[in-house]
Parts: sequence; structure tokens; C-alpha cells
Amino acid sequence: AQSVTQLDSQVPVFEEAPVELRCNYSSSVSVYLFWYVQYPNQGLQLLLKYLSGSTLVKGINGFEAEFNKSQTSFHLRKPSVHISDTAEYFCAVAGGATNKLIFGTGTLLAVQP
Amino acid sequence: AAGVIQSPRHLIKEKRETATLKCYPIPRHDTVYWYQQGPGQDPQFLISFYEKMQSDKGSIPDRFSAQQFSDYHSELNMSSLELGDSALYFCASSLVRGRRNTEAFFGQGTRLTVV
Repeated sequence: AQSVTQLDSQVPVFEEAPVELRCNYSSSVSVYLFWYVQYPNQGLQLLLKYLSGSTLVKGINGFEAEFNKSQTSFHLRKPSVHISDTAEYFCAVAGGATNKLIFGTGTLLAVQP
Repeated sequence: AAGVIQSPRHLIKEKRETATLKCYPIPRHDTVYWYQQGPGQDPQFLISFYEKMQSDKGSIPDRFSAQQFSDYHSELNMSSLELGDSALYFCASSLVRGRRNTEAFFGQGTRLTVV
């Protein structure tokens, strides 16, 4: 069975500071990993995805993530955050015949001025 | 580009009523997924359809049913609604056929409030 663990339920950070949101996964098969962002009262927007190839993945809004197979991690990073990055961030793993997504419990990124 | 369309965007129902949520996938996508996101919760997989056949089932209550029609749109039918069914319901679609990895595209969701 596949699963995703997001260790931090909330990450407060000051504007223009760097941030890392942690995600660890568990999977016995080929793994496809995603980060989604959800702004208040909005849907899920794909930030970036790892399907294969380079372990460093760049996404939208200046975010990037690194797939680390030995540590079973897929942490999300941004070198300098903005107030507008305040949102809930979900890590997800997909796989199996149906490619359904299994989400982590989410991390609230709270950017303070 | 066309996206996943869900309707209605908001729905208010009373306990024990029924509700029908609709999802129109991206054209030529062959797979539809339904997710439920309770307040402050992560999205939970409910059910999926591939080429109009149920392909996977998650934590979907027996009071709920879903189907995918010949035009690939899908409907989630919810009966005997309970207060705990209040949630954001997402539909996603992807093109799975012949591909080992795919990306799911999400709709904006339907917010169901049961009072």
C-alpha cells in the first residue's frame, strides 16, 4: 500500500525567508509524486510532479522539490516566500493500475510580513 | 484549455435529502476520480471510473453511488444525507490508457453543506 506523511501541520515563516515543507512516502511499486497547493476556498492546483528522470523538479511559482529514493522523501522548497504563498500544501503519491492519488494530511504555510 | 468542470459549485441540502454532483472531464480523458475533502482534512479518494467502468473504490459510503456516462461525464449521487457529508467534493480526470504515468487535473470542487 502507498502512503504519504507530511510531518508538519503548519509552518510559519517570514516573508522573503526560505522554506521547506517535508514529505515522506511509502510505496512498494514505482512511485509518482506530486505537490498540490490549495488556496482558501479554492480547488487543488498542481505545483510540480516527479514521474521519472531528474530528481530535482521545478514547478510553478518558484517552487522546487527533490526526490530522494534512499530517504523516501520529496520535500518542497522555495528560496524566498511571498505573502501570496500562504496556502495549504498537499503532497500526494499516485500509482497502481488506476493512478489514484493518496494525499498527505497537508501543511499550512503561513507567511508573515 | 478546457478544464474539469463541476456543477454545482455550491449546494445546500437538508438531512436525509439526496444530492447529485456532476463532473465533466477534460475532453478525451478516459478516467474520472472523485474525492471528498472534509473541513480541515486532506482529500480522500472515493471512487474512479475508466472508460465508463468502475475501476477503483475507496472510502465511499454505501449511501453514495456514482457512474460515468457515454459522454464521459460522471455523476456522484448521495442519498440520506448526513451532517458529516458536508465537505468539498472534487472531481479529477486524466488520460490513463496506454500510459504508465499520468497527471490528474482537478475541478474547482462542489461545496456541499448539509443542514
